[in-house]
Amino acid sequence: QIQLVQSGPELKKPGESVKISCKASGYTFTDYAMNWVKQAPGNGLKWMGWINTQTGKPTYADDFKQRFVFSLETSASTAYLQINNLNIEDTATYFCTKSGPGYFDYWGQGVMVTVSS
Amino acid sequence: DIVLTQSPALAVSLEQRATISCKTSQNVDNYGISYMHWYQQKPGQQPKLLIYEGSNLASGIPARFSGSGSGTDFTLTIDPVEADDIATYYCQQSKDYPRTFGGGTKLELK
Repeated sequence: QIQLVQSGPELKKPGESVKISCKASGYTFTDYAMNWVKQAPGNGLKWMGWINTQTGKPTYADDFKQRFVFSLETSASTAYLQINNLNIEDTATYFCTKSGPGYFDYWGQGVMVTVSS
Repeated sequence: DIVLTQSPALAVSLEQRATISCKTSQNVDNYGISYMHWYQQKPGQQPKLLIYEGSNLASGIPARFSGSGSGTDFTLTIDPVEADDIATYYCQQSKDYPRTFGGGTKLELK
């Protein structure tokens, strides 16, 4: 069965960086794009962008072009999200989600990132 | 960006019908396909795909869920509502980038 398993919760200070992982199983990793979605506490879902798992080319939504980096370790069927120079507004749960054609058919369990001084 | 508008909350009784609406700022249809999808999210859990491309039931989703609509007006219907359906429901469009979600409708018990 298809699964996306993400890394554990993170507690960071402002200005630090964090790298969270998303390990896929149950399908051919390079057949489908991987997307990232942010959910701030008590808020809705915000699409951050996607990474082409065949070429490694990332595409970022406008609000996520500056400090956010999507990457892959294809041999391990794993996608990564790195956030640099963290600030309080980055406190959120971050989900990886596999693309169907336009929709998101499988989701990771989410990683809670807390940024606090 | 395409803006998706949902009512924040809907109160419903068990075994009754719930209709959740999603209105888009632009037409999300193309070549006969509605690029509108619906998700369910329970507290502390990841979203789950319910309906894709307007009206197609995702794998493993009960038939009491259905999707309808076209153009700029879409509806998710749950009939009948069961206790396990109490959750927040989001619509999402894939007609254009960036992919955007509605603000979510929290389904509550009357």
